[in-house]
Amino acid sequence: GNSVTQMEGPVTLSEEAFLTINCTYTATGYPSLFWYVQYPGEGLQLLLKATKADDKGSNKGFEATYRKETTSFHLEKGSVQVSDSAVYFCALNRDDKIIFGKGTRLHILP
Amino acid sequence: DTGVSQDPRHKITKRGQNVTFRCDPISEHNRLYWYRQTLGQGPEFLTYFQNEAQLEKSRLLSDRFSAERPKGSFSTLEIQRTEQGDSAMYLCASSFPPQRNEQFFGPGTRLTVL
Repeated sequence: GNSVTQMEGPVTLSEEAFLTINCTYTATGYPSLFWYVQYPGEGLQLLLKATKADDKGSNKGFEATYRKETTSFHLEKGSVQVSDSAVYFCALNRDDKIIFGKGTRLHILP
Repeated sequence: DTGVSQDPRHKITKRGQNVTFRCDPISEHNRLYWYRQTLGQGPEFLTYFQNEAQLEKSRLLSDRFSAERPKGSFSTLEIQRTEQGDSAMYLCASSFPPQRNEQFFGPGTRLTVL
């Protein structure tokens, strides 16, 4: 079946550190891949997406590359800020349904 | 346009009571989705509509749950005879072809069943 596995949190980093949150997926065909972010007390927001192999999604300094050969879509940011503290969800779209990972809570210390 | 809206934002009810939630999608979006998110988990698909037609229901949606979208605009999700296990965040999302693989989420309704 279709599924998403992402690294468990919480992840705690100091401001300006490099961030990687690992995400791998299992799916038939070639799904679109997403990272959503959920800030405290707010709804889910689309952070970035990629629709085909080797596409790189980017937004707000975050990047992720659709790697078909490793079925991965790891999220990276070169220098995190306190305001990046949130829960991050890796997801795929298959048959018009979004399938989410369990989420990774990120906590950035000033 | 202010995005997807949901009402109420919070609902506390006693076990056995019925509850109804409302979702208003982005105005030109003809697809509307419901998801449920429990603590520490990612959202899980419940059901979705294209205009007023309900196209798919998840196995998670027991017969105590019903969703409607009577005029193809707003949607309601009703839970009858609530149980403590129904406590969760209920999320609504909408999309518009040809970008239907991108769904826009509302703030959610948090249900607590005592």
